[in-house]
Amino acid sequence: IAGITQAPTSQILAAGRRMTLRCTQDMRHNAMYWYRQDLGLGLRLIHYSNTAGTTGKGEVPDGYSVSRANTDDFPLTLASAVPSQTSVYFCASSGDRGPDTQYFGPGTRLTVL
Amino acid sequence: GQNIDQPTEMTATEGAIVQINCTYQTSGFNGLFWYQQHAGEAPTFLSYNVLDGLEEKGRFSSFLSRSKGYSYLLLKELQMKDSASYLCAVRDSNYQLIWGAGTKLIIKP
Repeated sequence: IAGITQAPTSQILAAGRRMTLRCTQDMRHNAMYWYRQDLGLGLRLIHYSNTAGTTGKGEVPDGYSVSRANTDDFPLTLASAVPSQTSVYFCASSGDRGPDTQYFGPGTRLTVL
Repeated sequence: GQNIDQPTEMTATEGAIVQINCTYQTSGFNGLFWYQQHAGEAPTFLSYNVLDGLEEKGRFSSFLSRSKGYSYLLLKELQMKDSASYLCAVRDSNYQLIWGAGTKLIIKP
């Protein structure tokens, strides 16, 4: 069982280009999340999905879009990348019984030049 | 606004005990989580508190006081592999996690 996978591991992107970060989970979790992590700041929620077919905006959604066509996949798209989107991006999922803990993928390190 | 405060960095000695504090002000409370994050890796779940008191799990314990908006993570018998950042997160009334910036723990031999 892989848990959550993300691709690519890292990417250098020219400003203005479109980019999709991929996230797949095999735990059959209903909820999925995209965060960005920047030095000195806590994880900030970009978008989330409570179940397949639904999405919601988090704290910092501008410049990003998501879709949730099925339970397993939750891609994050940057329509026109800007340097301020340079960050480490983590995908997470939750859906276990009890505390509904979030489990994280390995992350994508994105640099926008 | 919502706020989670943790010390930025702490240093401790191998074999010793360290306490990492977290204070929070959030709109609602539906549980507090501690995660460990090694450099360059993803956060991994350590502990969860929803009721006041101490939760013990091996060398790690986590305490919660909801009336004080306060939690701490206690690490005993420190090992070099415990060098990492420790993230405090609170689930708010919207059922979203609000994250602290993390405490970088440096273990010295």
